[in-house]
Amino acid sequence: KAGVTQTPRYLIKTRGQQVTLSCSPISGHRSVSWYQQTPGQGLQFLFEYFSETQRNKGNFPGRFSGRQFSNSRSEMNVSTLELGDSALYLCASSLEWRGDTGELFFGEGSRLTVL
Amino acid sequence: AQRVTQPEKLLSVFKGAPVELKCNYSYSGSPELFWYVQYSRQRLQLLLRHISRESIKGFTADLNKGETSFHLKKPFAQEEDSAMYYCALGGSNYKLTFGKGTLLTVNP
Repeated sequence: KAGVTQTPRYLIKTRGQQVTLSCSPISGHRSVSWYQQTPGQGLQFLFEYFSETQRNKGNFPGRFSGRQFSNSRSEMNVSTLELGDSALYLCASSLEWRGDTGELFFGEGSRLTVL
Repeated sequence: AQRVTQPEKLLSVFKGAPVELKCNYSYSGSPELFWYVQYSRQRLQLLLRHISRESIKGFTADLNKGETSFHLKKPFAQEEDSAMYYCALGGSNYKLTFGKGTLLTVNP
């Protein structure tokens, strides 16, 4: 079955702009998580959604937001972009949080560069 | 608070040598520990979970609650083991906390 799909794969924005990233989970998966990956900080948790409800949010400013749709697809938005937002944004899905295997299935990521 | 520490950013070994990637965690509840791996140009993927107590690709990891550690071990490293390895901690709050990762290089 198809894996987690993230779009766009690459994008370049300038400071002050906003960006929306999309994630389509594996069919049947209802939990979607987002992580920011940078060389200095590694993988940092942004948020987790299940059945359109945000169940947890990481330690990021309010400029970072997300949502999940009824078909489990998820989007995240970053407004008023800063240089430090340049990162690889990873989406991961699972049947249910930790489910039977505790396994998160990751997408390839959306690489955001802020100039 | 949940915290995962991987003390080595880089680890280089020769093929056939034993390898141990260290992971220490901090968590007040009952932890679930995982090792994830990212091979070159591939997605991050689960390698193993402490709860399953299985060996995957020759790797094992034992949860030591007394030392709050979950080190990953393999007795004989192979070149194809070269990858980025992340230790991760799951609690009851719908998130995984990852360590910063260890880049393992297995030299021929």
